[in-house]
Amino acid sequence: NAGVMQNPRHLVRRRGQEARLRCSPMKGHSHVYWYRQLPEEGLKFMVYLQKENIIDESGMPKERFSAEFPKEGPSILRIQQVVRGDSAAYFCASSPTSGAYNEQFFGPGTRLTVL
Amino acid sequence: GIQVEQSPPDLILQEGANSTLRCNFSDSVNNLQWFHQNPWGQLINLFYIPSGTKQNGRLSATTVATERYSLLYISSSQTTDSGVYFCAVGYNFNKFYFGSGTKLNVKP
Repeated sequence: NAGVMQNPRHLVRRRGQEARLRCSPMKGHSHVYWYRQLPEEGLKFMVYLQKENIIDESGMPKERFSAEFPKEGPSILRIQQVVRGDSAAYFCASSPTSGAYNEQFFGPGTRLTVL
Repeated sequence: GIQVEQSPPDLILQEGANSTLRCNFSDSVNNLQWFHQNPWGQLINLFYIPSGTKQNGRLSATTVATERYSLLYISSSQTTDSGVYFCAVGYNFNKFYFGSGTKLNVKP
């Protein structure tokens, strides 16, 4: 049973470009979460999605960031007009259901470097 | 949001030593996980333990939800145990709050 897949694993962008990060949840999981980890820090929640729905985006910056989880295909985290402060590791997690007593499984992360 | 405090922030051990890592949280939770982030940055699930005690080889964990803390025990540490250990807690829709981690360095 394949785990959570993320690609690319490493992404380099110049300031002002767009970054697209992809996440395929574990088989049978319909709930996806995105987290960001700045250097030497813990992970911070960004957004929680189910298929075709954003459930909670309270951790997402209001501008330049967007996320989707379409009916078919992976979840996408999109960062427009990247700045140096966007350099971080972005982790995706998935779970089979929502609510209490529900374990999340994390992907290997995408390391974004903005030059 | 929930505040999560982990202690100690840094820990240096000699191979073979035992250690206890602590996670305190500020509110009631119904999800709690321990992770190991290895030197390559990958997050490895250690325990899903919203309450009670679990053991897996040299590792064990205990969560006392009513007192808002969890402990991770590492026995007979090995150099491969090095990395950062994170506690993450959540409630309702699984929005996890992470602590700042305990950075463990096991020396041969």
